Amino acid sequence: GAGVSQSPRYKVAKRGQDVALRCDPISGHVSLFWYQQALGQGPEFLTYFQNEAQLDKSGLPSDRFFAERPEGSVSTLKIQRTQQEDSAVYLCASSQNRDPRRRNTEAFFGQGTRLTVV
Amino acid sequence: TQLLEQSPQFLSIQEGENLTVYCNSSSVFSSLQWYRQEPGEGPVLLVTVVTGGEVKKLKRLTFQFGDARKDSSLHITAAQPGDTGLYLCAGVGVIQGAQKLVFGQGTRLTINP
Repeated sequence: GAGVSQSPRYKVAKRGQDVALRCDPISGHVSLFWYQQALGQGPEFLTYFQNEAQLDKSGLPSDRFFAERPEGSVSTLKIQRTQQEDSAVYLCASSQNRDPRRRNTEAFFGQGTRLTVV
Repeated sequence: TQLLEQSPQFLSIQEGENLTVYCNSSSVFSSLQWYRQEPGEGPVLLVTVVTGGEVKKLKRLTFQFGDARKDSSLHITAAQPGDTGLYLCAGVGVIQGAQKLVFGQGTRLTINP
């Protein structure tokens, strides 16, 4: 597709359940970001991939959160043993930028997955 | 601690009025972006400013990057109800050794007819 695609759009999970959120970035984009956005707040950085390499996972809130991008394209964010505080919109973004010293990085966002933990 | 502070966080004004939203940081960024986000959608890029002191205009929207590349502002002239939305600033740079795109908490703008 032409844009970043995320699935599912909505996910309701019972507390303690594991969930997997998928991101299909724009074809050929090197960089991929995951963000968590609480209601009415700005996106909070979770993790960053450059191709298949996870270069930064400093934003992952706990060891229940795990992300992968094994072939350098599709990425999956997995949350184990979900808690109510995990309820948020999870946004994926991709960009062409490879060199972190380049200044002009346009990131394209997907529509997000709204996770509700009950 | 928020790396980028936006103010105000909420703003409700009448159609036709002017407004300015601020984005401030103690960190220097290589570029700064402004996004607009509609409910149920991901953020959409409006503009990127790269050079200190740079000013960019997008119809009734004027974006400025501070001389020291630590802050930015968004000014809207003659606001219209269609301008309603969440406006986010985001800084691009190498932070703690890795490329990051970090966001402010957003300004929720409501333009009343």
